Amino acid sequence: QSALTQPASVSGSPGQSITISCTGTSSDVGGYVSWYQQHPGKAPKLIIYDVSNRPSGVSNRFSGSKSGNTASLTISGLQAEDEADYYCSSFTSSNTLWVFGGGTELTVL
Amino acid sequence: EVQVAESGGGLVQPGGSLRLSCAASGFTFSSYAMNWVRQAPGKGLEWVSTISGSGSSTYYADSVKGRFTISRDNSKNTLYLQMNSLRADDTALYYCAKEMTSGIQPYFDYWGQGSLVTVSS
Repeated sequence: QSALTQPASVSGSPGQSITISCTGTSSDVGGYVSWYQQHPGKAPKLIIYDVSNRPSGVSNRFSGSKSGNTASLTISGLQAEDEADYYCSSFTSSNTLWVFGGGTELTVL
Repeated sequence: EVQVAESGGGLVQPGGSLRLSCAASGFTFSSYAMNWVRQAPGKGLEWVSTISGSGSSTYYADSVKGRFTISRDNSKNTLYLQMNSLRADDTALYYCAKEMTSGIQPYFDYWGQGSLVTVSS
């Protein structure tokens, strides 16, 4: 069981928007969250840090937000290339320095 | 260009040992904490261990504490993970990940392609 809770799967049609949630506690998501995209057979790639900041080169179709202990990743204008697994992660104030969500598989219909 | 590249994975019997390496380039290696994150086949990401930039502080997941040792050689820009008393549930792709902070909270900004460790008799 992962420390952060994400839906196992989400889907959407090209052009639509989808949102992936990530729920934790005040000790983790209550702070700041980062999001990673992982295509099959590839390494994870940072797409959002500090809840809502995008690294250089990441499409502005990706956005992040947070309310209380739940963070969200929204992908707008879905494209076929967005089909991947998405993970949230947070640095914690416990002995377990880092926690990840279980991952969400995004299918573009 | 920042690059991190793992090596040293392979097939090992239960109870055996293996040492992973991660060669880094394109940044001032000693200025950044480094991490190992693993992913079992078909599963999600799991944090394994962190080491500070100087190497003076180390942290471990409970699942590997007492069996794995993280270290670094800043003169060689290389990160290591010594894995002892390996178990079947240690089978995973092990990623080396550079840690970054914007001053608020850290995150993993660069990842290697991973090194596969298979523990089986």
